[in-house]
Amino acid sequence: AQSVAQPEDQVNVAEGNPLTVKCTYSVSGNPYLFWYVQYPNRGLQFLLKYITGDNLVKGSYGFEAEFNKSQTSFHLKKPSALVSDSALYFCAVRMAGTYKYIFGTGTRLKVLA
Amino acid sequence: DGGITQSPKYLFRKEGQNVTLSCEQNLNHDAMYWYRQDPGQGLRLIYYSQIVNDFQKGDIAEGYSVSREKKESFPLTVTSAQKNPTAFYLCASSMLAGGLEQYFGPGTRLTVT
Repeated sequence: AQSVAQPEDQVNVAEGNPLTVKCTYSVSGNPYLFWYVQYPNRGLQFLLKYITGDNLVKGSYGFEAEFNKSQTSFHLKKPSALVSDSALYFCAVRMAGTYKYIFGTGTRLKVLA
Repeated sequence: DGGITQSPKYLFRKEGQNVTLSCEQNLNHDAMYWYRQDPGQGLRLIYYSQIVNDFQKGDIAEGYSVSREKKESFPLTVTSAQKNPTAFYLCASSMLAGGLEQYFGPGTRLTVT
């Protein structure tokens, strides 16, 4: 079955420290991978995507993600966290051959001042 | 100003009543989606549509219905058959090719008592 896993419900990090939010996937074929951020009572905002090409993808607000095919992972990273980065982060995959997306359960990021 | 609008932001209904949630986009996207968000469960797909007058059931379609009479509009009706309708509902759209990322509306919080 095709799935996306975000193993951590919450990640705490001190402001200025690097952050990582983990995502692993299980899909057949070549995956299209995405990261979104959600602030309270709002819709999701697109951060970045991997379709093909370089394994390191750069996105909005200084975020980046590394596609690792052998580990079937697509972890979200940022070199220096800001308090304003505190939000709910979702990893998603688009199933090959369809227009359907599967989302992880989300990881709450808390950046402490 | 391009984007997706959902109305209303908050909706209250009595049990046993049908209710329709509005979703409109002016991004000229072909595909539109409805998700339900519950705490700790991420986003679950209710229905999606790739083209006018056509739509497919997602993972949790029971108790919901949709229509796609215009490219710009994809309303969702929550029927009285939906056992637990109280949730945050998100509408999204995307291109069928090219960018692939989804654009989300601000969401509608439905409370049924």
